[in-house]
Amino acid sequence: DVKVTQSSRYLVKRTGEKVFLECVQDMDHENMFWYRQDPGLGLRLIYFSYDVKMKEKGDIPEGYSVSREKKERFSLILESASTNQTSMYLCASSLYQGGNYNEQFFGPGTRLTVL
Amino acid sequence: QQQVKQSPQSLIVQKGGISIINCAYENTAFDYFPWYQQFPGKGPALLIAIRPDVSEKKEGRFTISFNKSAKQFSLHIMDSQPGDSATYFCAASTGGSYIPTFGRGTSLIVHP
Repeated sequence: DVKVTQSSRYLVKRTGEKVFLECVQDMDHENMFWYRQDPGLGLRLIYFSYDVKMKEKGDIPEGYSVSREKKERFSLILESASTNQTSMYLCASSLYQGGNYNEQFFGPGTRLTVL
Repeated sequence: QQQVKQSPQSLIVQKGGISIINCAYENTAFDYFPWYQQFPGKGPALLIAIRPDVSEKKEGRFTISFNKSAKQFSLHIMDSQPGDSATYFCAASTGGSYIPTFGRGTSLIVHP
């Protein structure tokens, strides 16, 4: 079974703090993704990575950065947290199959509250 | 621009009823249409998927109907159960991309 784990289920931070969200997958997947989930807005892609040290912006990258130093680990960084970044953050991974359709495997999510 | 439009946003069904969630897309290059199911406190998980070479795919009580000419696809849950209460996301992607485009989700509540 693919397992995607996220470092925290709940996180409360102050405005202006630097926030790290960690994600680890154990199935040797090439692709990893960070989404945020907000009511009525669905899943919005923040960043994704298709290889170690590679990253690509998604639909809403502003205010976020990412790091992928190891294949199994993908970190989301909020450089200076703001209240509008209060959200559920979901990490996902998928296997690269050269153009085939790839199921995404999601972690349980981190609910971040910025005060 | 919303490439995959999902409706309704919320749905309440009685136990034993049929739940129907609809999605529409614009990009004719999409050729893979998965549905993800998300229970409270969990991440989404793949439920069922269809490719446009068939008009229907059934897995147990869950059926995807696909209308290529109308660029629409829908999820039907027959004999809905309280355990089906979850958020459902439709998605679409192309064979050359590993990044699905998600609909905004439907919150389904099945009353006992």
